Amino acid sequence: DQQVKQNSPSLSVQEGRISILNCDYTNSMFDYFLWYKKYPAEGPTFLISISSIKDKNEDGRFTVFLNKSAKHLSLHIVPSQPGDSAVYFCAASAKDTGRRALTFGSGTRLQVQP
Amino acid sequence: DTGVSQNPRHKITKRGQNVTFRCDPISEHNRLYWYRQTLGQGPEFLTYFQNEAQLEKSRLLSDRFSAERPKGSFSTLEIQRTEQGDSAMYLCASSLRDNLNTEAFFGQGTRLTVV
Repeated sequence: DQQVKQNSPSLSVQEGRISILNCDYTNSMFDYFLWYKKYPAEGPTFLISISSIKDKNEDGRFTVFLNKSAKHLSLHIVPSQPGDSAVYFCAASAKDTGRRALTFGSGTRLQVQP
Repeated sequence: DTGVSQNPRHKITKRGQNVTFRCDPISEHNRLYWYRQTLGQGPEFLTYFQNEAQLEKSRLLSDRFSAERPKGSFSTLEIQRTEQGDSAMYLCASSLRDNLNTEAFFGQGTRLTVV
């Protein structure tokens, strides 16, 4: 049972345009969400996070939106740059388990075309 | 380098052999996690330590797997009698207990290939 789903395995956008990566979750106990970026042969790198008490969090070119009623979050990258090409993972954790584990989606490979 | 360090980066072993991986977390982090990632999937949680105490283990962690964090600093993950299905990237991460909303920082991983 996949509790965190990234239904788009890949996404291709032009440099300078907006990239939108989507993530859905099923576990209503999740209350903290993170996005990680992963380059080949490297470990995941933290990008941005959002708590369930918010519906938006911005950090430079990256914005994460959370829709709790739809159990959906998205990552917007504006403007997209070729260096953003990587695999992006959505992850979630639950306060009631003491944040002992992150549950990850299967990832979306983003390719930004110059 | 003050990030999470994992050794070795790559390990090729024959089926049936034992392997051990090491993780050195960020020094002030008291939480340490092991994850496994296979091709096309996201990382899957294996086990979690707070200081030296192993507080949670996933059902993915079979009897052939054992993890330790003897002094609350570095950790080791041992796989006994390796099987081809154990081939994966093994990732270690660490975080700070004080802030429950803190992110986990990952190492570069150890890629295991069982032949």
